[in-house]
Amino acid sequence: EVVLTQSPATLSLSPGERATLSCRASQSVSSYLAWYQQKPGQTPRLLIYDASNRATGIPARFSGSGSGTDFTLTISSLEPEDFAVYYCQQRSNWPLTFGGGTKVEIK
Amino acid sequence: EVQLVESGGGLAQPGGSLRLSCAASGFSFSGYSMNWVRQAPGKGLEWVSYISSSSSTIKYADSVKGRFTISRDNAKNSLYLQMNSLRAEDTAVYYCARTYSNSWYGFLEYFDYWGPGTLATVSS
Repeated sequence: EVVLTQSPATLSLSPGERATLSCRASQSVSSYLAWYQQKPGQTPRLLIYDASNRATGIPARFSGSGSGTDFTLTISSLEPEDFAVYYCQQRSNWPLTFGGGTKVEIK
Repeated sequence: EVQLVESGGGLAQPGGSLRLSCAASGFSFSGYSMNWVRQAPGKGLEWVSYISSSSSTIKYADSVKGRFTISRDNAKNSLYLQMNSLRAEDTAVYYCARTYSNSWYGFLEYFDYWGPGTLATVSS
C-alpha cells in the first residue's frame, strides 16, 4: 500500500499569505495524485487532479506540482474561505490511499 | 444537478451488520464507477471500496476485505455497502463518492461528487 505523508500537520498563516503544503509518497505514484479541501461540516472538494490540473471551478490561486514521490499544493494568496483541511490522494496503485491531512488555520 | 444521498447508518453491535445505500440522481449513474469513502470522527479520509459501472471490477481496502461487500443496481440508480462482522474501528461517516471523469482523460480514480454521508456507529 502506498503511504502518503502530509506536512506540516498544521499551518498557521494570515489571509493574503502564501501556503505551501507537502505530500510525500512511500513509493512513486507518477503524477497520479489529487488534492482535496474539506471545511468543517462539509464534504471534501476536489481541487487538483493528476498533480497539477485544476478541477472545474477551482480558482487559479490553487496550484499543484510534483511527480514521483514529492508533491506540493500551493495557495498563492490565502482568502478567508481557504482555511480548511487539505488531503492528498493517490490513484497509482490499489488500494487508493489518502494522506493524513494538513490543517490551514488562521494565525 | 448531481445528487448522492446515503442512508442506512445507525448503531450496530460489534460483530453485527449494517447495509448502507446511496441514491444517485442528476447524472447517468450506469456510466460511472462509484466508491465508498469513510471518515472516523475527527479523523482523516479512508477509501473503502470501488465498483465499476458494470460491476465487473470491485476493489476493497484491506481493512474491510472479507467483511464488506459493495454492489449496485443501475436500474434503481443505487449503490450499496453491506457491512458484516463490524468492529468498533468501523465507526465513521460513510460517504458515497462518484469517480471523477473528464472529456480529455476519461475516468480517473479520484472523487468529484460526494453525498452528505451517513454515520455508522459500532458499539455495545
